[in-house]
Amino acid sequence: SYDLTQPPSVSVSPGHTASITCSGDNLGNKFVCWYQQKPGQPPVLVIHEDAKRPSGIPERFSGSNSGNTATLTISGTQAMDEADYYCQAWDSSAGVFGGGTRLTVL
Amino acid sequence: QVQLQESGPGLVKPSETLSLTCTVSGDSINFYYWSWIRQPPGKGLEWIGSIYYGGDTHYKPSLKSRVTISVDTSKSQFSLRLSSVTAADTAIYYCARHGGVYGNAPFDYWGQGTLVTVYS
Repeated sequence: SYDLTQPPSVSVSPGHTASITCSGDNLGNKFVCWYQQKPGQPPVLVIHEDAKRPSGIPERFSGSNSGNTATLTISGTQAMDEADYYCQAWDSSAGVFGGGTRLTVL
Repeated sequence: QVQLQESGPGLVKPSETLSLTCTVSGDSINFYYWSWIRQPPGKGLEWIGSIYYGGDTHYKPSLKSRVTISVDTSKSQFSLRLSSVTAADTAIYYCARHGGVYGNAPFDYWGQGTLVTVYS
């Protein structure tokens, strides 16, 4: 089965840039999505097609994907960005999620 | 605005079958794929399986022997059945919409989720 690996946690100071990685075999050959999940809420799509932002998602959220690693970058991180983040891709018609990264803004 | 709402029993006994339904409103169920995704308490997201409005299904290989997903387009609903449940199946179960099962096919709409507890 295909696996996506994320760091369990990332910390960032307010106003600084946070980067969350997602690794998988030849991940650059797939499209990656990123979801934000706050406590008690369902996930929200923040990036799709590696780097595209859905309507309503702030410009400080960006994404990239190359080689074996996709990266979600949050520029000028705000306290409201503190959440769990999951990467996701499709492999052989099966959905695959990374294990999730807890972003702490402190 | 598309809305998805999960419904079903919140408690299931071990070895029995978990059954949930997702009702779609605000848009047609046609021409989209629909998935079930679960999240054990305090843990990450796990894709269970998907169904196209036409009935084509795809399941996570490790769950395939226990999972059945069906669709009723006349009611704008799709359903999940998970047999022979154990405590490991205790989770929040989400339903979600997507546009395919490969390439760029994000889960763009999600239900609020429903907690299913397997208890003895």
